[in-house]
Amino acid sequence: EPEVTQTPSHQVTQMGQEVILRCVPISNHLYFYWYRQILGQKVEFLVSFYNNEISEKSEIFDDQFSVERPDGSNFTLKIRSTKLEDSAMYFCASSEGRPQHFGDGTRLSIL
Amino acid sequence: EDQVTQSPEALRLQEGESSSLNCSYTVSGLRGLFWYRQDPGKGPEFLFTLYSAGEEKEKERLKATLTKKESFLHITAPKPEDSATYLCAVQGGRRGGSNYKLTFGKGTLLTVNP
Repeated sequence: EPEVTQTPSHQVTQMGQEVILRCVPISNHLYFYWYRQILGQKVEFLVSFYNNEISEKSEIFDDQFSVERPDGSNFTLKIRSTKLEDSAMYFCASSEGRPQHFGDGTRLSIL
Repeated sequence: EDQVTQSPEALRLQEGESSSLNCSYTVSGLRGLFWYRQDPGKGPEFLFTLYSAGEEKEKERLKATLTKKESFLHITAPKPEDSATYLCAVQGGRRGGSNYKLTFGKGTLLTVNP
């Protein structure tokens, strides 16, 4: 069964550094998403992406965040200057419409 | 703003002991209610989509139902392998297109003891 894959599974970064989280969505899907889950809290929406542009973004998705689909298969989330509060699980999801299918996430730890 | 509240936060059952999980929601223009299963260290795994009040979906020991204000996930004769966190999410919106965000509840941690 096709699945969403994310790399790396765990990323440790110094505060203030840039980090790029990578995702390979399911191949025939057109809609892409990033969510995050801080330990013990809800899964929270960050951004949705369609037709090479952002469709919707949350208040969390401020100027330090950006997304890109650099080629036909990858979808990336960049955090320019990481803060301690960015420590969380980051999930990528993709869909043809409904439902959204999730990857197993990247655990981001900011030191 | 869409909101989802799940109860109970945690539920411990004996193998074979049936029960139900609750998901209460408020949403502007429901486009779908979704149930996911999440195992420790993994991403949410899709289980069901419900679109309108009165709809029901079943898969093995799980059955999901929907009213205008809440959804239930009924677990019949659970097994230890059903132990996981069950997440409810809603998708709302009134514009065209399909790429609406999901709003999640905190989930119910289900433990099934042998």
